[in-house]
Amino acid sequence: GDQVEQSPSALSLHEGTDSALRCNFTTTMRSVQWFRQNSRGSLISLFYLASGTKENGRLKSAFDSKERRYSTLHIRDAQLEDSGTYFCAAEVTNAYKVIFGKGTHLHVLP
Amino acid sequence: EAAVTQSPRNKVAVTGGKVTLSCNQTNNHNNMYWYRQDTGHGLRLIHYSYGAGSTEKGDIPDGYKASRPSQENFSLILELATPSQTSVYFCASGDADWGAETLYFGSGTRLTVL
Repeated sequence: GDQVEQSPSALSLHEGTDSALRCNFTTTMRSVQWFRQNSRGSLISLFYLASGTKENGRLKSAFDSKERRYSTLHIRDAQLEDSGTYFCAAEVTNAYKVIFGKGTHLHVLP
Repeated sequence: EAAVTQSPRNKVAVTGGKVTLSCNQTNNHNNMYWYRQDTGHGLRLIHYSYGAGSTEKGDIPDGYKASRPSQENFSLILELATPSQTSVYFCASGDADWGAETLYFGSGTRLTVL
């Protein structure tokens, strides 16, 4: 069936470094949304993209506009408060369905 | 500001008991969703709704019922709770007619079934 493959599953990096998270889709997707789950479990929406790129502070996300088969989330100059689990969710083209990846556990070290 | 409120925040239930999780949204969104989150599975869709009076099965509906009595409220019902339903449950609302253009999530309900 339709799948969202998120990578890496876990990542540790030091403060001040950059990282990239990725979601690959087994079929073309209409849109993608990125979330961060904080330590209390709440989900915070970071970006919604139907195409192209969006940037907010140290975060930048891109959605492959050509084949619509992957999306990336870049974190620049990582800070301790960036630690958490990041999810991508993709909306299947021509179907009423949103599929979540399994998440990337990000741990930012001092 | 879009708002989705879930209650209760935490719930402990006994096996075989009935559990109702409530969700209220003030976004006037047509679409609402219930997900559960488990380690290794990410978020999985249980039930969703297009609007008041409508409920649809998601990917893992077995053991759950849903109710959408109004635009604002969407409940998830476990008639006979089982320990395998111990999880964190998220409700969300969406603001597009076709699919969920942007999802707004509640803070989650942690359910433990003993």
